Amino acid sequence: DVKVTQSSRYLVKRTGEKVFLECVQDMDHENMFWYRQDPGLGLRLIYFSYDVKMKEKGDIPEGYSVSREKKERFSLILESASTNQTSMYLCASSLRGTTSHEQYFGPGTRLTVT
Amino acid sequence: LAKTTQPISMDSYEGQEVNITCSHNNIATNDYITWYQQFPSQGPRFIIQGYKTKVTNEVASLFIPADRKSSTLSLPRVSLSDTAVYYCLVGAYSSASKIIFGSGTRLSIRP
Repeated sequence: DVKVTQSSRYLVKRTGEKVFLECVQDMDHENMFWYRQDPGLGLRLIYFSYDVKMKEKGDIPEGYSVSREKKERFSLILESASTNQTSMYLCASSLRGTTSHEQYFGPGTRLTVT
Repeated sequence: LAKTTQPISMDSYEGQEVNITCSHNNIATNDYITWYQQFPSQGPRFIIQGYKTKVTNEVASLFIPADRKSSTLSLPRVSLSDTAVYYCLVGAYSSASKIIFGSGTRLSIRP
């Protein structure tokens, strides 16, 4: 079974703090994704990584950065957290180079910025 | 970009067939159509994927007309456990700019 784990289910941070969200997958997938999910807006892609040290901006990259130093790990960084970054953050992974576009999602991290 | 549009919510009853349609007028040649299911407090889970015509697996069918500007997820004989949010995703994962989720359809199944 593919497993995508995220470092925390719930996180509370203060405005201005630097926040790290960690994601690990155990299936040797090349692609990894970070989404945020807000009521009425569905899932919006923040960043996408297709290989170690490779990344692409998604729909809403402003205020976020990412790091992928190892294939299995993809980190989302909020350089200076703001209240409008309060959201559910979902990590996913998938194989690259096949016709299957199945993404495997983690359970999510609910981040509250106060 | 292939923006997608889905109904916000749908209701049905146990044992019925449910069809959820997603519109994607600007779908590109390389784009696939994928559907996900999400329960509260969980990440989305893959249901089915297609490129054209009809695809069927053990849980659902996906109908895609020739022009590919829409797709319909069909859930046969739903049960209470099918109550969830269903997302349509159109994209080709060669580029992040092509990964577009719909805003989701909240399906409620009643006894």
